[in-house]
Amino acid sequence: DAGVTQSPTHLIKTRGQHVTLRCSPISGHKSVSWYQQVLGQGPQFIFQYYEKEERGRGNFPDRFSARQFPNYSSELNVNALLLGDSALYLCASSLGGIAKNIQYFGAGTRLSVL
Amino acid sequence: AQRVTQPEKLLSVFKGAPVELKCNYSYSGSPELFWYVQYSRQRLQLLLRHISRESIKGFTADLNKGETSFHLKKPFAQEEDSAMYYCALFLNYGQNFVFGPGTRLSVLP
Repeated sequence: DAGVTQSPTHLIKTRGQHVTLRCSPISGHKSVSWYQQVLGQGPQFIFQYYEKEERGRGNFPDRFSARQFPNYSSELNVNALLLGDSALYLCASSLGGIAKNIQYFGAGTRLSVL
Repeated sequence: AQRVTQPEKLLSVFKGAPVELKCNYSYSGSPELFWYVQYSRQRLQLLLRHISRESIKGFTADLNKGETSFHLKKPFAQEEDSAMYYCALFLNYGQNFVFGPGTRLSVLP
């Protein structure tokens, strides 16, 4: 099993553009969570999806959205990119809810906004 | 507001010395706390969680509700323990995770 896979690994965008990041969970995992990690800080929780429904949301603006597909893969969308959106975006998958189940993290997508 | 603090950005100890990575939290509800670790060039991974009351790689952490702390301890540090350590708090309300800023542990030979 390849573990949690994220694509792309690196991305460069300009201010105002839109970006879509993708995550494939470990086989059998039904929950996907997204985190933003700015350089020098800990990960910040953005969303959790479980069984294709949003189950948790962090303190991020509406420019950030996500969805989970029937195969449990997920996309994170960010509109109207700002310089401050430059960060490593991590995806984590778990069997179920993120408190009671171990989260397995992907390697991340590094987004640079110029 | 819910918060997790890790006062040390960098902690250096010699091999064989005891190590304690500090974590304090603020949360009005019943806390569920975790320690995550990221070794060099590896992915972030769970080290331990307080509900399991387990010891992983010789590390233990005890939840002290009175002091609102969840410090990570190991009696004898090894060079392979060198990594970035994050303390995290799960918020039942909002199903949210709050990570601390992290402490980089460097175990010197």
